[in-house]
Amino acid sequence: GIQVEQSPPDLILQEGANSTLRCNFSDSVNNLQWFHQNPWGQLINLFYIPSGTKQNGRLSATTVATERYSLLYISSSQTTDSGVYFCASSLGNQFYFGTGTSLTVIP
Amino acid sequence: NAGVTQTPKFRILKIGQSMTLQCTQDMNHNYMYWYRQDPGMGLKLIYYSVGAGITDKGEVPNGYNVSRSTTEDFPLRLELAAPSQTSVYFCASPRERDTGELFFGEGSRLTVL
Repeated sequence: GIQVEQSPPDLILQEGANSTLRCNFSDSVNNLQWFHQNPWGQLINLFYIPSGTKQNGRLSATTVATERYSLLYISSSQTTDSGVYFCASSLGNQFYFGTGTSLTVIP
Repeated sequence: NAGVTQTPKFRILKIGQSMTLQCTQDMNHNYMYWYRQDPGMGLKLIYYSVGAGITDKGEVPNGYNVSRSTTEDFPLRLELAAPSQTSVYFCASPRERDTGELFFGEGSRLTVL
């Protein structure tokens, strides 16, 4: 299967700060997604981004498929951004998840 | 369009009991997955299905069984529950096999005492 590595594992930010989360994957993939798991445990799809750049409000993501990495940018962080961010890629019939970045935004 | 629906949201079992976690999707997707998430950890694949009548094992299938008699439903059965099966279980379904967004249910928190 694909190895998916995320960094950093933990991140603490002051409200209003910016951050970059990284996802490296070990093989060519057809699919790269970012998810946010909120403090209540819900998994929300943020971006489906196999290549290129997308933006959604304060969040944006870039995937460079040829170099096998993806970045999630969070600007002007808010306390509601707290939670765990997962990236996942797929090959064949399965999705492969990273171990996540735990983000805490303090007011 | 409710997406992926899981029931129950919470359940406490005694060791040795059995139960079924229900998962239903109304998006007419072929692919469905069951994951478990232990505290502070990532997601591990238990079983998946590529269509009605077809299922396959994932990374951690022991102690579980699945069936896929219809496109909509993908129940996960726990036989002889053990404390090691205490976890949060997520059902998910992608728009296509390996393209498109992956949609998750809200999760089922299971405790085995």
